[in-house]
Amino acid sequence: NAGVTQTPKFQVLKTGQSMTLQCAQDMNHEYMSWYRQDPGMGLRLIHYSVGAGITDQGEVPNGYNVSRSTTEDFPLRLLSAAPSQTSVYFCASTQISGTGEHEQFFGPGTRLTVL
Amino acid sequence: ELKVEQNPLFLSMQEGKNYTIYCNYSTTSDRLYWYRQDPGKSLESLFVLLSNGAVKQEGRLMASLDTKARLSTLHITAAVHDLSATYFCAVDPDSWGKLQFGAGTQVVVTP
Repeated sequence: NAGVTQTPKFQVLKTGQSMTLQCAQDMNHEYMSWYRQDPGMGLRLIHYSVGAGITDQGEVPNGYNVSRSTTEDFPLRLLSAAPSQTSVYFCASTQISGTGEHEQFFGPGTRLTVL
Repeated sequence: ELKVEQNPLFLSMQEGKNYTIYCNYSTTSDRLYWYRQDPGKSLESLFVLLSNGAVKQEGRLMASLDTKARLSTLHITAAVHDLSATYFCAVDPDSWGKLQFGAGTQVVVTP
């Protein structure tokens, strides 16, 4: 299994540009999430999905859109990039366990800079 | 509003000594996670704690959970340089994989 993959690894955008961060997992997990990590802070939830066709907002959703057309893919779209969106973005999927230990699998991250 | 507070935020450790990182959270949660992050890397899962009184150990790291006090601790025994990293705790109050993270504790281990 490749686990959770993210592309690109690095990206530089100009203010106002749009782009899509890709996330895919091959573990057949229903739950997937997007987080951003800023210096000196923990990860903050942007959007999440509990299955294909079902998404909802997290703590910091403004400026981002998501969709979930398949179980495998969960892309994050930046509609009009702003310098405040400069961050490291992590995608995660959740393995639901009968024991209750729902393990999170994180992708390698995308480092985004908005000029 | 759910808050997850870690302290200290920075911890300078001497090799061979013992230290503890604290994680307080403000609402009930079914599970508590501990992660390790090396600079420029992703998060590595260390522990998932489910129930009150749960204790898990892996090598020099031991994590415990007190759900009544809403407190988890990560204890480091006989610190070594390889443990230098940032450690995060996170809670999942809704059990939907929507984690709320603490700010992280940066650990630096020196000889």
